[in-house]
Amino acid sequence: DQQVKQNSPSLSVQEGRISILNCDYTNSMFDYFLWYKKYPAEGPTFLISISSIKDKNEDGRFTVFLNKSAKHLSLHIVPSQPGDSAVYFCAARGAGNMLTFGGGTRLMVKP
Amino acid sequence: EPEVTQTPSHQVTQMGQEVILRCVPISNHLYFYWYRQILGQKVEFLVSFYNNEISEKSEIFDDQFSVERPDGSNFTLKIRSTKLEDSAMYFCASRETSGGENIQYFGAGTRLSVL
Repeated sequence: DQQVKQNSPSLSVQEGRISILNCDYTNSMFDYFLWYKKYPAEGPTFLISISSIKDKNEDGRFTVFLNKSAKHLSLHIVPSQPGDSAVYFCAARGAGNMLTFGGGTRLMVKP
Repeated sequence: EPEVTQTPSHQVTQMGQEVILRCVPISNHLYFYWYRQILGQKVEFLVSFYNNEISEKSEIFDDQFSVERPDGSNFTLKIRSTKLEDSAMYFCASRETSGGENIQYFGAGTRLSVL
């Protein structure tokens, strides 16, 4: 099932710089997108979301951009901090409110 | 801050045995979910539950699986006869309302190891 894809398994960024995590999807019926952060031995923690009727949502250091025509969304973290180091999952809401997850991107922010 | 609680954190069982994974969703939430993540793979949807019945289920959720809300607080996932391939992290999630901000909040997970 490749309906939601995160093509970069890992990303390394210097502290203070911008982190950009990408996500592509194929199902045009998805109407809501979420980003979750996951630390080892913990469950996914909700970070930020965006409705399919919007193209941008911002919350502090985190901004999500949605390009519906390209079926692409991205998460920008600026400035990046060492505490942001985690695995980031993109998820899309489909029928029945079930979430379809991408494979995750491991972000490492170096001090 | 309210959170979804899952017990146990780690369950080891023999193949063919029954296991029950337990979850306490956030108290005012009405929609409940189970997901699983096999090591090295994606988080996969298993089942959603609302108003004391299953709303949606995936192909993974076959007759070996069942869910129940036995009281006002617990939400359980039962696997009747475990197989080796059931070994995974199982995550419970809950959300408050339909539509709008559809945020599912996840528990820390139960690691199921089938030997």
